[in-house]
Amino acid sequence: GAGVSQSPRYKVAKRGQDVALRCDPISGHVSLFWYQQALGQGPEFLTYFQNEAQLDKSGLPSDRFFAERPEGSVSTLKIQRTQQEDSAVYLCASSLGAASSGNTIYFGEGSWLTVV
Amino acid sequence: EDKVVQSPLSLVVHEGDTVTLNCSYEVTNFRSLLWYKQEKKAPTFLFMLTSSGIEKKSGRLSSILDKKELFSILNITATQTGDSAVYLCAVAGSFFGNEKLTFGTGTRLTIIP
Repeated sequence: GAGVSQSPRYKVAKRGQDVALRCDPISGHVSLFWYQQALGQGPEFLTYFQNEAQLDKSGLPSDRFFAERPEGSVSTLKIQRTQQEDSAVYLCASSLGAASSGNTIYFGEGSWLTVV
Repeated sequence: EDKVVQSPLSLVVHEGDTVTLNCSYEVTNFRSLLWYKQEKKAPTFLFMLTSSGIEKKSGRLSSILDKKELFSILNITATQTGDSAVYLCAVAGSFFGNEKLTFGTGTRLTIIP
């Protein structure tokens, strides 16, 4: 596709509900990232995939957060038993190769999650 | 732990003014510093800086990095209302397997017509 696509764009969840956020990276992009951006803050790293391998999940805030990319393309970020502090924009990003090789990282428009 | 501090947090200027946004950082094994522009949507890439003293320029925007003093500036000349956005600075470390970016909180720039 032309850019990184995320869905849903907006999600309101009741506290305790499970949510799933989807990311379609740019076609052919090997690297995929998830970031969490709270209101008035910069994005914070959650996790990183290279193809289907999750190489870094050091930023996931708790075991309620789970991400997968089973076929090395589309990725899903799942949040179980949502809590109010999970309210944030969840940004997905992708790059052609490893960012450490100088590849530009392209961001999607984000999924805005509000937990009530 | 990597850290990025941006200043000012917010800035309001009149159209046509020139602005300078600041970014200071602490990072283990510095690899690169990046600037992004974020309106009410996806952060869009502006610059990637890896070497000190080499200015990168794109139209009215320019940026430079000082690796000795650990900071970068982003300049915007002849500002326009379309420049209103949050400008994010991020750094990347270079040890193997580290692909993440550490962002600052951003500078919110508002251009008054």
